Amino acid sequence: AQTVTQSQPEMSVQEAETVTLSCTYDTSESDYYLFWYKQPPSRQMILVIRQEAYKQQNATENRFSVNFQKAAKSFSLKISDSQLGDAAMYFCAYRSRNTGNQFYFGTGTSLTVIP
Amino acid sequence: KAGVTQTPRYLIKTRGQQVTLSCSPISGHRSVSWYQQTPGQGLQFLFEYFSETQRNKGNFPGRFSGRQFSNSRSEMNVSTLELGDSALYLCASSPQPTSYEQYFGPGTRLTVT
Repeated sequence: AQTVTQSQPEMSVQEAETVTLSCTYDTSESDYYLFWYKQPPSRQMILVIRQEAYKQQNATENRFSVNFQKAAKSFSLKISDSQLGDAAMYFCAYRSRNTGNQFYFGTGTSLTVIP
Repeated sequence: KAGVTQTPRYLIKTRGQQVTLSCSPISGHRSVSWYQQTPGQGLQFLFEYFSETQRNKGNFPGRFSGRQFSNSRSEMNVSTLELGDSALYLCASSPQPTSYEQYFGPGTRLTVT
């Protein structure tokens, strides 16, 4: 089975600074998707960014970008110009391209933004 | 469009009882997945339904079951509740099983005493 590992249970960042959240995964597949989800204290999970494994170019969404290293099975999230609203639990997730909507999630990183 | 809705939002049950949770997907979405979220285990996949058929199932005991109706609404049932079933149960919907994005509901917080 696929596994997703987030080794940083908690992170903190000063407002307006940059922070990087780490994620590694284990799979024998070559075609898959990777995601970062954000879960604010209200608990509604929100998609932050996604990456298709066949694309070499790293995905970017405004202040959020990823560093996708397929050979190393690493998928980190960089948040630039951190804002107070970025404070949340962040989950890294894996989805095979072939097995439907079965996502595998990491255990999450709790991000605190310091004013 | 309205988002994914889940009812009830909070539930307290006694060990040994059974519970049914409901999920209404985004209009037009036909795939519904369920996850259990606990502090120790994180999010774990329970099952996925599409066109009233279970397509995938996670590694949970048979006490956990679900179904999907013709309008794509889904329910999950947990029988003979155990203390360890206390968790946040999240539902997510997608247009199709092949869609790569899921949209999550707010969850149902189940407490078993």
